[in-house]
Amino acid sequence: AQSVTQLGSHVSVSEGALVLLRCNYSSSVPPYLFWYVQYPNQGLQLLLKYTSAATLVKGINGFEAEFKKSETSFHLTKPSAHMSDAAEYFCAVSDAVAQGAQKLVFGQGTRLTINP
Amino acid sequence: DGGITQSPKYLFRKEGQNVTLSCEQNLNHDAMYWYRQDPGQGLRLIYYSQIVNDFQKGDIAEGYSVSREKKESFPLTVTSAQKNPTAFYLCASSIGWGANVLTFGAGSRLTVL
Repeated sequence: AQSVTQLGSHVSVSEGALVLLRCNYSSSVPPYLFWYVQYPNQGLQLLLKYTSAATLVKGINGFEAEFKKSETSFHLTKPSAHMSDAAEYFCAVSDAVAQGAQKLVFGQGTRLTINP
Repeated sequence: DGGITQSPKYLFRKEGQNVTLSCEQNLNHDAMYWYRQDPGQGLRLIYYSQIVNDFQKGDIAEGYSVSREKKESFPLTVTSAQKNPTAFYLCASSIGWGANVLTFGAGSRLTVL
């Protein structure tokens, strides 16, 4: 079964600094990978997804992620942090065994704090 | 605009009471899901439904029940058998499987007093 590990439950960066959120996955088949963002007391919003078309995936709000099969990683980055980026970020892998339904396995989440 | 509506946003209940959380979508999605979110544990799948009148247990189904009588609606009942029901509950839907994206509702926060 697929699984996801996010390294670091809490990451703090200064405004304008590089954001790096780490995600490693375990999958027996080529995976579909996702990053979602959650603002306080809200649902999750898709940032980007990897579907094997390109290893470097660009998402919304200036975020991007690179799929590295050799490292089984899908780290999320943003060159310059903005105060509005403060949120919780979830990495997820698709467990595609359920035909007709998208069973996502989520990581534990990383809370990103931006310091002024 | 299409989306998912969850209600109520906040709910308090006494121990021993059942409570039903509503989830309605107007996206014409076939699949619907319920997730539970606890601090530091990510999201865990409770139940999912691929089509009307069909649903499957997820990873933590004990103490919960669902129904899918209409394509648009997927209510979740938290029963008194759920030992630790205080949590944030998220409903989602998708057009199918594979690389398709889940669309989430804004969530319902249940607190047991």
